[in-house]
Amino acid sequence: DIQMTQSPSSLSASVGDRVTITCRASQSISTSLNWYQQKPGKAPKLLIYAASSLQRGVPSRFSGSGSGTDFTLTISSLQPEDFATYYCQQSYSTVTWTFGQGTMVDIK
Amino acid sequence: QVHLQQSGPGLVKPSQTLSLTCAISGDSLSNNDASWAWIRQSPSRGLEWLGRAYFRSKWYSDYAESVSGRMTISPDTSKNQFSLHLNSVTPEDTAVYYCAREWGIYQLDGKYNWLDPWGQGTLVTVSS
Repeated sequence: DIQMTQSPSSLSASVGDRVTITCRASQSISTSLNWYQQKPGKAPKLLIYAASSLQRGVPSRFSGSGSGTDFTLTISSLQPEDFATYYCQQSYSTVTWTFGQGTMVDIK
Repeated sequence: QVHLQQSGPGLVKPSQTLSLTCAISGDSLSNNDASWAWIRQSPSRGLEWLGRAYFRSKWYSDYAESVSGRMTISPDTSKNQFSLHLNSVTPEDTAVYYCAREWGIYQLDGKYNWLDPWGQGTLVTVSS
């Protein structure tokens, strides 16, 4: 299976900060990379698909980039509702999809 | 708007079968462009994709190696729902289980897929 590794595992930030989360795949996955946001007790919510396409309804402060093995999720100006855990997920494999271990963003 | 509603027991005894159902509204289980998946989440394993079922003139299914042989996804077109059956469970199968739709688009360089929407999640505890 393709392994997905996120960094950092957690970070503390303030409202208004620019936040960057990285995700690395164990092999090239082209741009078959999605990002999700999860809040406590809730299901993950799709933010970005195909590495850089913003899901409808998601604020434009979220952006994604990368291809091959290295990807980035950026929040340009962190808002109070953005404190959550973020996951990357590859959909390159024809059978088994895999997730990163998550990055928890909390309040500094 | 597509909505997935999960149902099923929250407690299962070891060695028994875990069964959950995901009811679909706003889409058809037989949609040739969609697949229907189960994912689970636990502190020890994180988010783990378990398997999918999809209709392409007939029904197909794929399973993760970790549950292959123990897991079955059953579609029920009459009720527009699909079910997860995981047999011979152990405490390691304790997790929050989610259903989700696999959806995607074709772009110039290929097809891109993602999971959206998700069901609300069901905490299943395996304990005697």
